[in-house]
Amino acid sequence: KAGVTQTPRYLIKTRGQQVTLSCSPISGHRSVSWYQQTPGQGLQFLFEYFSETQRNKGNFPGRFSGRQFSNSRSEMNVSTLELGDSALYLCASSIGHTDTQYFGPGTRLTVL
Amino acid sequence: GQNIDQPTEMTATEGAIVQINCTYQTSGFNGLFWYQQHAGEAPTFLSYNVLDGLEEKGRFSSFLSRSKGYSYLLLKELQMKDSASYLCAVRDKGDSNYQLIWGAGTKLIIKP
Repeated sequence: KAGVTQTPRYLIKTRGQQVTLSCSPISGHRSVSWYQQTPGQGLQFLFEYFSETQRNKGNFPGRFSGRQFSNSRSEMNVSTLELGDSALYLCASSIGHTDTQYFGPGTRLTVL
Repeated sequence: GQNIDQPTEMTATEGAIVQINCTYQTSGFNGLFWYQQHAGEAPTFLSYNVLDGLEEKGRFSSFLSRSKGYSYLLLKELQMKDSASYLCAVRDKGDSNYQLIWGAGTKLIIKP
């Protein structure tokens, strides 16, 4: 089975721009979660989608949003980028809501 | 409130044994995960405990005591490749929804 894929792998943007990140889960997995990780920091939970519905949301501003499609693929959008948004964004899929998470390689976002 | 504590950093010697502790306070405990994350890579699943006791998987074992709100990951016959961060995550049933609560991770440094 193919693993979780994320595109793009690397991205450079400037302050004020917006960005969309994509995540394709493992086939058969219906839950997708998004995390932000900055150097030396743990995983900061952004949100989780299950069967196209947002099930959980972390403490991030409204500039961070996401959605899930009927094929379980998910996108995350960040609007009005700030320097502090520079981070590794990880997507994880699981069979069900809050089951074992299988992580993708991440998208490394740099905001200049 | 909900809280997970792990030591920030530990150092051990190649060939030795190390125990990484995780203590948690949650209102609706429903399982505990351990993940390994090498620098610059995505986390990978190591173990899952929902009942009290020890689960062994090769050189890695994970223990859970629900009454004490405590878990540990035991790594035997340490190898240099075990240098990584180890993340503890608890599945908690909140008021109406399950969620994953992540610890900040323990950075394990293995010395020759």
